[in-house]
Amino acid sequence: QSVLTQPPSASGTPGQRVTISCSGGSSNIGSKPVYWYQHLPGTAPKLLIHTDNQRPSGVPDRISGSKSGTSASLAISGLQSEDEADYYCVAWDVSLNFAVFGGGTQLTVL
Amino acid sequence: EVQLVESGGGLVQPGGSLRLSCAASGFTFTTYWMDWVRQAPGKGLEWVANINQDGSENYYVDSVKGRFTVSRDNAKNSVYLQMNSLRVEDTAVYYCARSALDTSPYWGQGILVTVSS
Repeated sequence: QSVLTQPPSASGTPGQRVTISCSGGSSNIGSKPVYWYQHLPGTAPKLLIHTDNQRPSGVPDRISGSKSGTSASLAISGLQSEDEADYYCVAWDVSLNFAVFGGGTQLTVL
Repeated sequence: EVQLVESGGGLVQPGGSLRLSCAASGFTFTTYWMDWVRQAPGKGLEWVANINQDGSENYYVDSVKGRFTVSRDNAKNSVYLQMNSLRVEDTAVYYCARSALDTSPYWGQGILVTVSS
């Protein structure tokens, strides 16, 4: 059972907006930056969001991140077939003294 | 071009040892923390360990503490993960990453470690 809780699956049709939640606690999301990764099997994970809501260069602005208290969210608007992948949130936990990933959310584009 | 190339994976029996290496190039190695992250078959990503720029500070996930040791050789631009007392549940693809929790991380392609009798 992961310290950060994500829904195991999400889905949407092309063009729709989907959000993926990540719930944690005061020792991780509540006090440290959140990062979001996209992962396709057999490839290196790709950073989508850093420091709660910042997009690295090259990540389209239809992808956004937000954080409130001990929860964070990733939003993908204008859903495309290429968005079909696994998505993970991750943050440092100051009590555990190691980084914790969410369990991952498998996004399906219907 | 940034490159991280993992090596040293393979099949090992339970209780055995393995040493993973990660050769870095294309960036100033001494200015970055380095991480190891793994993904067991059919499971999600799990952060394993990291080490700071000069090797004086490191952290581990609870499940590997006392069994795994992370180290680095800045003269060789390399980071290592010594894995002892391996268990079946350590079977995973292991990724080397440059500062996974930072603004511009970079990940290797991963290497498979299989622990089985």
